Amino acid sequence: QKEVEQNSGPLSVPEGAIASLNCTYSDRVSQSFFWYRQYSGKSPELIMSIYSNGDKEDGRFTAQLNKASQYVSLLIRDSQPSDSATYLCAAFPNRDDKIIFGKGTRLHILP
Amino acid sequence: KAGVTQTPRYLIKTRGQQVTLSCSPISGHRSVSWYQQTPGQGLQFLFEYFSETQRNKGNFPGRFSGRQFSNSRSEMNVSTLELGDSALYLCASFGQPANTGELFFGEGSRLTVL
Repeated sequence: QKEVEQNSGPLSVPEGAIASLNCTYSDRVSQSFFWYRQYSGKSPELIMSIYSNGDKEDGRFTAQLNKASQYVSLLIRDSQPSDSATYLCAAFPNRDDKIIFGKGTRLHILP
Repeated sequence: KAGVTQTPRYLIKTRGQQVTLSCSPISGHRSVSWYQQTPGQGLQFLFEYFSETQRNKGNFPGRFSGRQFSNSRSEMNVSTLELGDSALYLCASFGQPANTGELFFGEGSRLTVL
């Protein structure tokens, strides 16, 4: 059974600090990885995608992928209260398969 | 460009009833997937459609069914509702024929079963 594991949190981070969210996946076949952000009462929104080992930066967000360790992370620099949300990690084995979501990590930025 | 539209947004049903949820994808998107989201189980994949064909299916009982029309709009149906079917049902569309993993979600239909 392919799985994506995340710590459910809540993860509390002071405003202005770096928030670090982690995710592991069980399927070595997965090639594509995504981070979705979901505000309370809203639907998930794609914020980052990463396909190769290493770091990918987009504004205050950095996604990191280590396929050998089957590990994906999301760093949020200069955390803002508006970053408070649930962050869903997702793995995508291939186009004929389905995306596997983790259960999400609740992030709370403390003003 | 309009996003993914789901109707109804909220509904309350009783056990044993059936429900139909609708999803209109982003204009030009031909692929639609459906998810059930509950606090305990997270996002669970229901099914995926492309050009009116079901391309993938999750591990849900036969009470859950879906279809896609020629205009790419999709519906899902749940028959003989159970209390455990209470959830947020999310529809997502993607633009490529092949799923790349980049999904655009609608606001969801929140179903409460009493």
